[in-house]
Amino acid sequence: EAQVTQNPRYLITVTGKKLTVTCSQNMNHEYMSWYRQDPGLGLRQIYYSMNVEVTDKGDVPEGYKVSRKEKRNFPLILESPSPNQTSLYFCASSFAGTGGPYAGEKLFFGSGTQLSVL
Amino acid sequence: GQQLNQSPQSMFIQEGEDVSMNCTSSSIFNTWLWYKQDPGEGPVLLIALYKAGELTSNGRLTAQFGITRKDSFLNISASIPSDVGIYFCAGQETSGSRLTFGEGTQLTVNP
Repeated sequence: EAQVTQNPRYLITVTGKKLTVTCSQNMNHEYMSWYRQDPGLGLRQIYYSMNVEVTDKGDVPEGYKVSRKEKRNFPLILESPSPNQTSLYFCASSFAGTGGPYAGEKLFFGSGTQLSVL
Repeated sequence: GQQLNQSPQSMFIQEGEDVSMNCTSSSIFNTWLWYKQDPGEGPVLLIALYKAGELTSNGRLTAQFGITRKDSFLNISASIPSDVGIYFCAGQETSGSRLTFGEGTQLTVNP
């Protein structure tokens, strides 16, 4: 079954304790992205990756890191989490298409990771 | 970054009623998309629009790409309880590959 798998589904942690949220897709997608969802703000992009070893900042990258060493995996790293990073996080992937403006449009989303930083 | 305003923020309707929601942008988009998020899940793509004036249907859902390329509309006819969820519009800039999402419309359907 084609899917984007995130782990963990729920995570409670304390300020400053490094954590990693994993994301894996089995569709051979080039494009992967991380979003956070907050009430009234919709989905905001944190980081995205057009392909292996190619990553770029989204709209709200501060406090986050990513890596793309393999095509299928795109982990999100919080080196020193803070309470304002409490949020619902989604990983998404898609084909890059023919390149240019249609890359990353038909996104497949994971089921989300609810993170609480105390 | 781009600004997308989605309205209404929430809707409470009776089963069988029609629903309309819309998104407006501060600038022109090349592509408009509509996603639905079921409770406890990630968003799923419903409809993609690529041309100004385009009208596309997916079952009881109909979406339109505004003529000005700065807005889009989603209509749901004869709503049913499983239509409950959050509906997001998303736009893609002409020159870029990133999506900008609206704030979402929370739809509640009373049986």
